[in-house]
Amino acid sequence: AQSVTQLDSQVPVFEEAPVELRCNYSSSVSVYLFWYVQYPNQGLQLLLKYLSGSTLVKGINGFEAEFNKSQTSFHLRKPSVHISDTAEYFCAVSGQGGSEKLVFGKGTKLTVNP
Amino acid sequence: NAGVTQTPKFQVLKTGQSMTLQCAQDMNHEYMSWYRQDPGMGLRLIHYSVGAGITDQGEVPNGYNVSRSTTEDFPLRLLSAAPSQTSVYFCASSWAIGTGGGYEQYFGPGTRLTVT
Repeated sequence: AQSVTQLDSQVPVFEEAPVELRCNYSSSVSVYLFWYVQYPNQGLQLLLKYLSGSTLVKGINGFEAEFNKSQTSFHLRKPSVHISDTAEYFCAVSGQGGSEKLVFGKGTKLTVNP
Repeated sequence: NAGVTQTPKFQVLKTGQSMTLQCAQDMNHEYMSWYRQDPGMGLRLIHYSVGAGITDQGEVPNGYNVSRSTTEDFPLRLLSAAPSQTSVYFCASSWAIGTGGGYEQYFGPGTRLTVT
C-alpha cells in the first residue's frame, strides 16, 4: 500500500517569492505521482504528474516538481508566486499496477500575501 | 462537455434522514469514485466503481451505499445521516481505475453536507 506525507499543513509566502511544497511518499512498488490544486470552494484539478522518464516535471501555472526516487520525494516548486496561487495543494500517489487506487496527502494550504 | 457534475451543491440534513448525492460524467469514463474531504484529513475514498454494475469499498465506506447502473451516473446514498458525515463530498472520474496507467482524475465541484 502507498502513503503520502505532506510535511507542511500551511505555507505563507509573499507575492513574487519562491515557494516549495514538500511531499514524501512510501511505496513498495513503482509509483505514479500527482499534484492537484483546489481553489476556494472548488473541486480539485491536476497541476502536474510524473509517470516515467525525466524526473523534472512541468505543470500548469508555472509550477514544476522533481521526482527523487532515492529520497521518495516529489516536491512542488514555483520560482515566483502570485496572489492567485492561494489555494490548497494535494500530493497523491498511485502504484503502477492496473488496479491501484489514488492515495492523497492531507494537503498544504498556500497563502500568498501582498 | 460538462465534465463531472454534482447535485446538490449544499444540503442540510437532520440526524437519521437519508438522501442521495448525485454524480454524473459525460466523458465516457469507466472509473468513478466518491471522496469525502474533512479539514486536515485530505481526501478519503468512500466507494468506487470500475464500470457499470461493479462497485467496491474504499477507505471509509460505513454509512454509505452506491450503485452504478450506467456508465454516466454514480449516486452516493446516505442511509441514516449522522453528524460525523458532515463533510464536503467530491465525485471523480477517470479512464482507468485509480490511476493505473497514470490517468488524470476529473473532479466535480463538490457537495457541502451538514448533518445536525
